[in-house]
Amino acid sequence: QSALTQPASVSGSLGQSITISCTGSSSDIGGSNYVSWYQQNPGKAPQLMIYDVSNRPSGISNRFSGSKSGNTASLTISGLRAEDEADYYCASYRNSRTFVFGTGSKVTVL
Amino acid sequence: EVQLVESGGGLVQPGGSLRLSCAASGFTFTNYWMTWVRQAPGKGLEWVANIKQEGSEKYYVESVKGRFTISRDNAKNSLYLQMNSLRAEDTAVYFCARGYSDWYRWGQGTLVTVSS
Repeated sequence: QSALTQPASVSGSLGQSITISCTGSSSDIGGSNYVSWYQQNPGKAPQLMIYDVSNRPSGISNRFSGSKSGNTASLTISGLRAEDEADYYCASYRNSRTFVFGTGSKVTVL
Repeated sequence: EVQLVESGGGLVQPGGSLRLSCAASGFTFTNYWMTWVRQAPGKGLEWVANIKQEGSEKYYVESVKGRFTISRDNAKNSLYLQMNSLRAEDTAVYFCARGYSDWYRWGQGTLVTVSS
C-alpha cells in the first residue's frame, strides 16, 4: 500500500510563502475530500493543521491553508516563521475504508 | 481536558505478541471513531487501523490484516490493539488518535520494538 508522494524537503525564507504538494491517485486524493495535513515536531505527536482539504481547526493560524486539484493536494504556509520548521504530512481517505499518509516533507526556514 | 494515554509497548521477539492500550478521558468516548497510527524510527506516519463508535466496523492497513486486531471497551473508555505474529518491520511508535477521517487529538505514543 504505497504512501502519497510529498517532496522530501521544502525551504523558504522568513516571511515568504511555501507550498507543499501531496500527490496521490483517483483512489485517494482525487476521489475524496477527506484530505488532512499534520505538523510534527521531533519526538512529538502530530498536530492537525488542515482537515477536509481546506478547513482549519480552531486555534490554527490562518497562515496555513489547504487546497486540492485533481489527484494533488497542497498545503501553503504564508508569512513563514521560525516555528513553522517541522515535518509535515498529508493524509487521505483511500478506497476500502482505509487511510494513507504522505511520505512527509521537512520544512526548513532559512 | 482531552487526554489519550497509550501503554503496553516494549521489546518483543519476532513472532511474539503484544497488546497496546489507549486510555481516553475528557470527552465522550462513545461519540468517536478511534484510530491507531504508527511511525517507524526516523520514518513517516502510517495509518494502521480504526474502529467505529460501537465497534461494529473495523478496518486495517493491508500489512497488518490477520495479525492485528483493534478493539474497544466503551465502559472503560479504552482502545486496544492486539498485535500477533510481530515482525521486525512492526517496530514503531504507536499512537492512538481520536477521529475517523482526521485526527485532532493524539496520545504521546508507545514504542514497540520487535527484535531478537
